[in-house]
Amino acid sequence: DIVMTQSPDSLAVSLGERATINCKSSQSVLSSSDKKNYLGWYQQKPGQPPKLLMSWASTRGSGVPDRFSGSGSGTDFTLTISNLQAEDVAVYYCHQYYHIPRTFGQGTKMEI
Amino acid sequence: EVQLVESGGGLVQPGGSLRLSCAASGFTFSTYWMTWVRQAPGKGLEWVANINQGGSEKYYVDSVKGRFTISRDDTKNSLSLQMNSLRADDTAVYYCARGTNYYEAWGLGTLVTVSS
Repeated sequence: DIVMTQSPDSLAVSLGERATINCKSSQSVLSSSDKKNYLGWYQQKPGQPPKLLMSWASTRGSGVPDRFSGSGSGTDFTLTISNLQAEDVAVYYCHQYYHIPRTFGQGTKMEI
Repeated sequence: EVQLVESGGGLVQPGGSLRLSCAASGFTFSTYWMTWVRQAPGKGLEWVANINQGGSEKYYVDSVKGRFTISRDDTKNSLSLQMNSLRADDTAVYYCARGTNYYEAWGLGTLVTVSS
């Protein structure tokens, strides 16, 4: 199974600042055939289901503000949140969909 | 509007069975892979199983193989998860989600508690 490891486990950032969450996969999730990274990011607020932020490592989901950006390739990925807002308080998960079983990172808790 | 509504959760004793359902609306259900993801209380997300269009392909996480069965009824726009031989570590909120890669739509989840 592909193990997804996020860092840090928790993060405290001030309003208006930038936050960076890292995700490392135990195997590459870059497809040699279509050159796509099979990597997604989700945001989960308390009591709510996850919400898709990014697919293919850097494609924002529908309605996701451009303050959110994704980068990386192969085994190392980053989610960056610029100009942090109060509503960004949540747990963030990376997710690989290159192999079965699909696997998630352990989550990064964002606090203001 | 895309909607996924799970039902069927509850309290069950270890070794018991439960059948979860997910009612889909607002999209052409038959054309999408569907997925179950669970989340134990206070823990992270765990992919459980998925099923292709038509139901000919099904995949499971190792911890539920032989105990859980995913199925779908495209005539009723419904996804199911039959859970047998339930264990305490199956206690979680179970979400259905649309897709096999990334998941753009999620239900609100249904809580399954396995306890004596």
